[in-house]
Amino acid sequence: KAGVTQTPRYLIKTRGQQVTLSCSPISGHRSVSWYQQTPGQGLQFLFEYFSETQRNKGNFPGRFSGRQFSNSRSEMNVSTLELGDSALYLCASSNHRDRSSPLHFGNGTRLTVT
Amino acid sequence: DQQVKQNSPSLSVQEGRISILNCDYTNSMFDYFLWYKKYPAEGPTFLISISSIKDKNEDGRFTVFLNKSAKHLSLHIVPSQPGDSAVYFCAASAHRTGANNLFFGTGTRLTVIP
Repeated sequence: KAGVTQTPRYLIKTRGQQVTLSCSPISGHRSVSWYQQTPGQGLQFLFEYFSETQRNKGNFPGRFSGRQFSNSRSEMNVSTLELGDSALYLCASSNHRDRSSPLHFGNGTRLTVT
Repeated sequence: DQQVKQNSPSLSVQEGRISILNCDYTNSMFDYFLWYKKYPAEGPTFLISISSIKDKNEDGRFTVFLNKSAKHLSLHIVPSQPGDSAVYFCAASAHRTGANNLFFGTGTRLTVIP
């Protein structure tokens, strides 16, 4: 079974631009979560989608948004990029929204904002 | 406000010996704990978890211990193998904030010396 796939792997953007990251979950997984990893803050929860609906949201500004499609694929968008948005963005999928199904992470998209 | 803390950034252990990785948390609402392992250029991989109703969970060479009164958990790897060299993240969740909203520590880099 293929793992969680994130595209692109690397991205360089300029401050003020916007960016869209893509995530394909493991086949059959309906929950997709997004995390931001930075050297200073570690991994921080952005949001979770299940059945095309945002079910949970972390403490990030409204510039960070996402969506999920009917095939469970998800996209994350960051508008008006700031230098501090430079990070590794990780997508994770799970079969259910309960503890019996741990998160399976993709390899991430490395975003650099200049 | 780091609610999950891994105070040792790195640990070196001889092959065949025990590796003990520690994690402390501050939020008493956390009721489920996980350990993830991360290799360079890959996403975190789930290792083992424990519910707050237990104080120990074993899976092969990996054992997690939970001390609720001390708000402390540890991961024991016995025997340690060179392939175990990676960054280990402790994570926690609370029923109220959602199973997939994980709070991560900043990681401990384990090096197993052959």
